[in-house]
Amino acid sequence: DIQMTQSPSSLSASVGDRVTITCRASQGINNYLAWYQQKAGKVPKVLIYAASTLQSGVPSRFSGSGSGADFTLTISSLQPEDLATYYCQQYNSAPFTFGPGTKVHIK
Amino acid sequence: EVQLVESGGGFIQPGGSLRLSCAASGFTFDDYGMHWVRQAPGKGLEWVSGISWHSGSIKYADSVKGRFTISRDNAKNSLYLQMNSLRADDTALYYCAKDRYASANYYMDVWGKGTTVTVSS
Repeated sequence: DIQMTQSPSSLSASVGDRVTITCRASQGINNYLAWYQQKAGKVPKVLIYAASTLQSGVPSRFSGSGSGADFTLTISSLQPEDLATYYCQQYNSAPFTFGPGTKVHIK
Repeated sequence: EVQLVESGGGFIQPGGSLRLSCAASGFTFDDYGMHWVRQAPGKGLEWVSGISWHSGSIKYADSVKGRFTISRDNAKNSLYLQMNSLRADDTALYYCAKDRYASANYYMDVWGKGTTVTVSS
């Protein structure tokens, strides 16, 4: 099975800051990677798929990059509504594992 | 409006069984693969199972293999998860999620609000 790790596990940043979250797979996953945002008490929402493609309706301050086994989610200018936990997920092969999540706090 | 509504959760003793249901609306159900994803209290997301549009491809997480069975009824626009031999670590909020494509090999672009399963004596 493919294991997913994320770093950091949590971060605190100010409004307007650039925020970067890293996701690493235990093996190459052919860019079959999605990023989800889950706000407290809410349903997960897909932000990015195929490692770098922005889901329709998602603000352009979110972007994804990476290839092989190493990927990054970037929020170019953090907004108060970005307070959430962010998960990466590989869909290269079943079981389609999620990373442990990164909790983003606003300073 | 695309909508997924889960039901069937509840409180069950260890070793018991439950059947979760997910009613889909607002899209052509039999064009898409479907998944179950769970989230234990205060924990992260765990993919549980996926099923392709025609039920020809079914996959499970190792943690539920042999105990859970996913199925769908395209005539009823419904997805199911039969859960047997339940354990305390199956306690979670169970989400139904739509795959982006028919094969259930991609990301999940629509999620239901979930149904809670609590396994305890």
